[in-house]
Amino acid sequence: EPEVTQTPSHQVTQMGQEVILRCVPISNHLYFYWYRQILGQKVEFLVSFYNNEISEKSEIFDDQFSVERPDGSNFTLKIRSTKLEDSAMYFCASSAGQFRSSYEQYFGPGTRLTVT
Amino acid sequence: AQSVTQPDIHITVSEGASLELRCNYSYGATPYLFWYVQSPGQGLQLLLKYFSGDTLVQGIKGFEAEFKRSQSSFNLRKPSVHWSDAAEYFCAVGAHQAGTALIFGKGTTLSVSS
Repeated sequence: EPEVTQTPSHQVTQMGQEVILRCVPISNHLYFYWYRQILGQKVEFLVSFYNNEISEKSEIFDDQFSVERPDGSNFTLKIRSTKLEDSAMYFCASSAGQFRSSYEQYFGPGTRLTVT
Repeated sequence: AQSVTQPDIHITVSEGASLELRCNYSYGATPYLFWYVQSPGQGLQLLLKYFSGDTLVQGIKGFEAEFKRSQSSFNLRKPSVHWSDAAEYFCAVGAHQAGTALIFGKGTTLSVSS
């Protein structure tokens, strides 16, 4: 069964460093998403991406964050200058398309980001 | 404001007993509703979804959920719980539009006792 994959599973970085989290969405999906879950808190939406553009973003997704689809398979989240409060589990998700039956989002296993 | 409330943080159920996890939502438009499950170290797996039509929806692993518009609820049920069902369960709501955010509840942790 096709699945969303994410690398790395765990990333440790120092405050102020740049990190790139990588995701490979399900191959025929058109919409891509990033969410995060700070320990003990809700899963929160960051951004959605379609046709090489951001289609929706939350207040969390400020200028420190960016997303990119550098090739036909990868989808990345970059945090330019990490802060302690960026420590969280980051989930990538994808959904198939524009028809109601294909709205559901499929999630990857997550990348745990620890900022020290 | 759009939100999802899962009133129970932690529930313990005996193996073989029935289960009901509660979910209430507040959403301005007609919602799409989802239940996801997260096992330790795993991602979020979609259990079931409600878009329209029959208000009782069936999902994977023997789970079902019932949409009650009058109560703004979408409770998850299973008639007989297995030890492997121990996990965290998340209710989520989304719009009738592709590419939009899901709003999640805080989750309910299910423990299964033998």
